[in-house]
Amino acid sequence: AQSVTQLDSQVPVFEEAPVELRCNYSSSVSVYLFWYVQYPNQGLQLLLKYLSGSTLVKGINGFEAEFNKSQTSFHLRKPSVHISDTAEYFCAVKPSLNTGNQFYFGTGTSLTVIP
Amino acid sequence: EAGVVQSPRYKIIEKKQPVAFWCNPISGHNTLYWYLQNLGQGPELLIRYENEEAVDDSQLPKDRFSAERLKGVDSTLKIQPAELGDSAVYLCASSSGTSLETQYFGPGTRLLVL
Repeated sequence: AQSVTQLDSQVPVFEEAPVELRCNYSSSVSVYLFWYVQYPNQGLQLLLKYLSGSTLVKGINGFEAEFNKSQTSFHLRKPSVHISDTAEYFCAVKPSLNTGNQFYFGTGTSLTVIP
Repeated sequence: EAGVVQSPRYKIIEKKQPVAFWCNPISGHNTLYWYLQNLGQGPELLIRYENEEAVDDSQLPKDRFSAERLKGVDSTLKIQPAELGDSAVYLCASSSGTSLETQYFGPGTRLLVL
């Protein structure tokens, strides 16, 4: 079984400061990893994904994430946040074997960027 | 290319009334998902279709919820009768079905049951 833990439910940060949103997962099989962003009253939008290869993944809007297999983590980072980054961020995993197309989501982290 | 389309965007009903949500996935995407998202929570899978076949509906409350995807394209999710606890956002997503593909989400339908 797979599960995703996002330890921080809310993260306030000042504009232009760096931010890290944490994600840990538990899985008995190898997984693909994803970060999604959800702006108010909108659906989820893919930020970035790790499938294989380099453990440092770069996504849209200046975000990046690093896959750490030994720590089963996939933390999201941005060196300098903007007001427009205020949103809900979800980490998700999907089994990499073709056992089904099911995704498992964390409970989300609400990022608030303070002017 | 059009994204995943959902309608209505918002719905307010009284408890015990029926309600239906519609989803049109991205053209060519054979996998379709319905998720329930409660306030402050991540999406939880209700049902997943591969073409017209429901391959995972273990989390769907079958006493009041039903879904269909008759021609393997658009899909309808129905609740009858609705309860107060059904107030949430119902998200539809689609993917092309290979294991490497990501999901693409629609904007969701926000349901309020009074």
